Amino acid sequence: GAGVSQSPRYKVAKRGQDVALRCDPISGHVSLFWYQQALGQGPEFLTYFQNEAQLDKSGLPSDRFFAERPEGSVSTLKIQRTQQEDSAVYLCASSLDLNNEQFFGPGTRLTVL
Amino acid sequence: GESVGLHLPTLSVQEGDNSIINCAYSNSASDYFIWYKQESGKGPQFIIDIRSNMDKRQGQRVTVLLNKTVKHLSLQIAATQPGDSAVYFCARGNRDDKIIFGKGTRLHILP
Repeated sequence: GAGVSQSPRYKVAKRGQDVALRCDPISGHVSLFWYQQALGQGPEFLTYFQNEAQLDKSGLPSDRFFAERPEGSVSTLKIQRTQQEDSAVYLCASSLDLNNEQFFGPGTRLTVL
Repeated sequence: GESVGLHLPTLSVQEGDNSIINCAYSNSASDYFIWYKQESGKGPQFIIDIRSNMDKRQGQRVTVLLNKTVKHLSLQIAATQPGDSAVYFCARGNRDDKIIFGKGTRLHILP
């Protein structure tokens, strides 16, 4: 079956623009995670969902970052008023449940000019 | 504090030799440790994990060793192949909690 997909794969935004990044998890996966990966670094946790409930958003760097998963499937990570320091690869992962293996998507590379 | 770090940023290994990638951690309150492989332009891929009450676990061509006394984790890859070229991350996790990644080691395979 299909893995986790993310769109767009690449996004260039001017500073101050809003962006929306989409994640399609593996069908039937209950848990969904967002990570931010800066160049040369490991992924850093942003937030996760159990179905449509956002159970942990402690990793979101500021109130400009917002994530949702309204129907417990597709998720969107929104970044408002983008800044240069938001440039990174944004990874989405899904798992059958919280304690199961996480399957990662290819990521969206965001470049803020 | 919560951190998972690696000793070396880059490791070069001759094709066919064994590779050993090391990782040190500072937080002992982890239920399990995980190794991921990340190829260019792709997301991390699960390789193998080990629970904190174990000291060794083997998979296909890979072995993970956990030394809780010195808080050290290693990944051994047998008979390294060109397809093993990637960045390898160690990570730690707790039940019902998020995964914390280290910075990564790039494995470079020499022909």
